[in-house]
Amino acid sequence: QQQVKQSPQSLIVQKGGISIINCAYENTAFDYFPWYQQFPGKGPALLIAIRPDVSEKKEGRFTISFNKSAKQFSLHIMDSQPGDSATYFCAASKGGNNRLAFGKGNQVVVIP
Amino acid sequence: DVKVTQSSRYLVKRTGEKVFLECVQDMDHENMFWYRQDPGLGLRLIYFSYDVKMKEKGDIPEGYSVSREKKERFSLILESASTNQTSMYLCASTSLPGRANTGELFFGEGSRLTVL
Repeated sequence: QQQVKQSPQSLIVQKGGISIINCAYENTAFDYFPWYQQFPGKGPALLIAIRPDVSEKKEGRFTISFNKSAKQFSLHIMDSQPGDSATYFCAASKGGNNRLAFGKGNQVVVIP
Repeated sequence: DVKVTQSSRYLVKRTGEKVFLECVQDMDHENMFWYRQDPGLGLRLIYFSYDVKMKEKGDIPEGYSVSREKKERFSLILESASTNQTSMYLCASTSLPGRANTGELFFGEGSRLTVL
């Protein structure tokens, strides 16, 4: 079964707007929550990650918000740019074992 | 920079053929993974390996096998390719947890396999 569920499946955002992608998980043993970014023709690459001891992590225009009680985490892309157009995957793992459970992915399109 | 190289970017094979997908990483990583990526299904783990000659099944191992004879190389084998194995295959590697490990997976650029 899908251990990590992403929504929405796709997103179209105007340049300068905020892109928000949500993920939900069931396994309370998960303790590492990364987001991966994938451009067409490339493999995914780590964008930003969070551990459950903090509720938010920000790197540049990208922010992860984490809600442990709701078992949800989200990616916010502020001031979205056409270069942010990509597929975004959320993921989760437990105990640092590197076996990540991935969501199905969101395609984000930023229009000028 | 970490580099994960998948030697074949595009392959076209016929049903029943044996297919080898090769992956090499240059960062002395212990862990290596093979994923399959399909639209609407995301990334699904086929097999992974924590060490040379060691392998563990992922979520969708049926129809696949793997080989890890050397630390830097992890091969995915389709013994008898079928049309439902047409997909993008992604190899990834990472270091062991607890050794300055950020949990970051480093992916190759993928091998797109079409089975006719």
